[in-house]
Amino acid sequence: EPEVTQTPSHQVTQMGQEVILRCVPISNHLYFYWYRQILGQKVEFLVSFYNNEISEKSEIFDDQFSVERPDGSNFTLKIRSTKLEDSAMYFCASRDRPNQETQYFGPGTRLLVL
Amino acid sequence: AQKVTQAQTEISVVEKEDVTLDCVYETRDTTYYLFWYKQPPSGELVFLIRRNSFDEQNEISGRYSWNFQKSTSSFNFTITASQVVDSAVYFCALSEDFYGGATNKLIFGTGTLLAVQP
Repeated sequence: EPEVTQTPSHQVTQMGQEVILRCVPISNHLYFYWYRQILGQKVEFLVSFYNNEISEKSEIFDDQFSVERPDGSNFTLKIRSTKLEDSAMYFCASRDRPNQETQYFGPGTRLLVL
Repeated sequence: AQKVTQAQTEISVVEKEDVTLDCVYETRDTTYYLFWYKQPPSGELVFLIRRNSFDEQNEISGRYSWNFQKSTSSFNFTITASQVVDSAVYFCALSEDFYGGATNKLIFGTGTLLAVQP
């Protein structure tokens, strides 16, 4: 069964460093998302991406964040200069097409900023 | 504004007990989707069910059942004869872009931690 994959599973970085989180959505899916879950808290929407552009972003998604679909399979989230409060689990999700509303999530990348 | 409330922070039951997880939502839209996701200790988010706002039929899948009531804006989840493997955090979520709009973001509740004791 097709699934969303994410790499790395864990990443430790120093404050101020750039990180890139990678996702491979389900093949043929058209809509892509990043969510964040700070430890012990709820899952929060960061950004949605469709047709090679951001379709919506939350107030969390400030200028330090960017997303890219560099090729036909990868979808990346970059944090330019990490802060301690960026420590969280980051989930990628993808959705198939209009009228198919279910988002399928990857296993997540746990980011720890020291 | 969209909002999902899961008032139960933690529930502890003994194996084989039935347990109901509550979910109350707020939305101004007449068309929307509701979801339940399971997050086991390993951390991934596992899709359980999707229900659209036009379909109030209750659904049963094995030991799982869902009760959707628009009159009370609730979408409750019942596990019958709970098992230790059901121990997880369960999230209820709402999506408002029914017609497949480019956004369709999910608004999650705060989750309910279910602990099933042997």
